Amino acid sequence: DADVTQTPRNRITKTGKRIMLECSQTKGHDRMYWYRQDPGLGLQLIYYSFDVKDINKGEISDGYSVSRQAQAKFSLSLESAIPNQTALYFCATSDRGTGTNTGELFFGEGSRLTVL
Amino acid sequence: QKEVEQNSGPLSVPEGAIASLNCTYSDRGSQSFFWYRQYSGKSPELIMFIYSNGDKEDGRFTAQLNKASQYVSLLIRDSQPSDSATYLCAVAPFGNEKLTFGTGTRLTIIP
Repeated sequence: DADVTQTPRNRITKTGKRIMLECSQTKGHDRMYWYRQDPGLGLQLIYYSFDVKDINKGEISDGYSVSRQAQAKFSLSLESAIPNQTALYFCATSDRGTGTNTGELFFGEGSRLTVL
Repeated sequence: QKEVEQNSGPLSVPEGAIASLNCTYSDRGSQSFFWYRQYSGKSPELIMFIYSNGDKEDGRFTAQLNKASQYVSLLIRDSQPSDSATYLCAVAPFGNEKLTFGTGTRLTIIP
């Protein structure tokens, strides 16, 4: 089983619908992230959380919300989906990045969302 | 100006040659630099990280950092077809906090 699991892997929805993307991890990491990837635009940070009580906005948080339900779970919601939110979404985790730790991001397999 | 800039490519390199990928960044406070490889349809995976000026080698990969010029590069020696992927440069102010990614360079190794 993958260490960082995203559900659903693919989702097609209509404009105005509420969508939730879920992420769970078994790596024991404190830090979790949601990124969005569009062709030619690289990875853009939506939200991140450094522990259960910590939520921070990233570069492109408008239209999105998140919930950190537990250390291992971090969900992303689109309250009212719009077509320009069609993208590939990645959840990622990392350790604290202290000492010799690289601070490497470990990514889930991605959730492809299409908003019609 | 984007914070982390990469040539989008595609960059085509013959098998066995050296592939050179470049990245510039705008934040002089950046301290951590990462190269991720992403195969088509897959998630990114870390291949190199570097914190100090100079070169860091790991097998066929060498990362080069020049903080004065705000420039980081990745060299891939003896390029193989399996190296064909998009390479993402990422920069962070400290450790792993809030990585900023470049748009990626698509590399194709020609057999």
